[in-house]
This record gives sequence, structure tokens and C-alpha cells, in this order.
Amino acid sequence: AQSVTQPDIHITVSEGASLELRCNYSYGATPYLFWYVQSPGQGLQLLLKYFSGDTLVQGIKGFEAEFKRSQSSFNLRKPSVHWSDAAEYFCAVVLYSGNTGKLIFGQGTTLQVKP
Amino acid sequence: DTAVSQTPKYLVTQMGNDKSIKCEQNLGHDTMYWYKQDSKKFLKIMFSYNNKELIINETVPNRFSPKSPDKAHLNLHINSLELGDSAVYFCASSQRRGENTIYFGEGSWLTVV
Repeated sequence: AQSVTQPDIHITVSEGASLELRCNYSYGATPYLFWYVQSPGQGLQLLLKYFSGDTLVQGIKGFEAEFKRSQSSFNLRKPSVHWSDAAEYFCAVVLYSGNTGKLIFGQGTTLQVKP
Repeated sequence: DTAVSQTPKYLVTQMGNDKSIKCEQNLGHDTMYWYKQDSKKFLKIMFSYNNKELIINETVPNRFSPKSPDKAHLNLHINSLELGDSAVYFCASSQRRGENTIYFGEGSWLTVV
């Protein structure tokens, strides 16, 4: 069955340090992959998406993600984390049934940023 | 202008009550969704409408009934609320049913006491 796994439930990094959040997917065809961020008490904001083409995609807030088909991964990275990046991060894949799509989410990774 | 807006943002109600959450999108999208985020922050789709037609209906109790008066609105009505219904409910929309990118509202925090 199609699924998304985020192996790290909770990650703590120091402000200014680099960040990598892991995402692994299980999907038969070429996946459409997303990263969303949810700040405390807020809604879901789209950070970036991968549909096809260049496997390194740039998003908002200085985030990027790399699609690696051989590893079934779509890891999110940021070179230097800011305190405001503390939030919940969700990886997701679109699952299609005919021409109807729905997002399947991973379990989420909570990012804590130390001063 | 908020693209996908939900009301109310916070709702505290007693068990057994009936409540509604309203959602409106001003993006001109054809397709709208309701997602539920449980206490462990897990997100799962509940329903989807495309141009007022129900196209996704996941395994959700009959107490939950979506209604789409037009393609810009998708409301969620919940009857006989139970403690387990406490969650964050997110409305979302996409340009069309096969469109990959889905945009979310701010969420409605429902607490049943």
C-alpha cells in the first residue's frame, strides 16, 4: 500500500545549524511529493513540492528537498535553522484513484530549535 | 485575503451536541476537502467535493455530513458529538480533482467535553 514514513518523530537542532528531515515513501508510480509545515496553533503551509524534472527542489523560507528514486526518499534540508523554524513538518504524497487525488501524510516530525 | 478560510477557529462543546464548521475558498478552485488531525497530529482525509459533487468519502461515521452549496464552500456538520471527535479539522482546496497541489485553511480546533 502507498505510504509515507517520517522516521524521526522529534528532532532538536541548535539555531544556525543545518537541518535534514527524512521522508521515505512507498508508491508504485512516479510520486508527487510535498512538504508542509505547521507552526504551533496554525494551519498547514506548503513548503515545496516535487512533480518531475529536477530532483532538487527549492521551497519557501530557505528550504530545499531532494528526490532520490533509488532510495525512495524526499528529504527536507535547510543550511541554517532559525528559531522561527520550530514547528511540525509533514511529508506527503498524492495517491490517485482514477483522476481523483488525495494527500497521504507521514506521521510528522517535530522540530525544536535550541538558542 | 485568506485563500481558504474556516470558521470557527476554536469550538468547545458538550457531548451530544450538533455543530458545524464552515469553509470558504476564494481561489476559484473546483475541488475542496476536509482533513482531520487527531491528538497525535496524524492527518487523514475525510471527504472531498468536486464542483459540489462528493468524490471522496473515507470511512467516517455517519454523524459527519459534508455539504457543498457551491464550489467555493464546503461545510462540515457533526451530529451527536463524541469525546473522540475532538481534533483539528482542516479544510483545503485544489484547482481541480486531479490537481496535485492542495492548499489548506488555518484549521478548526474542536474540543468535545
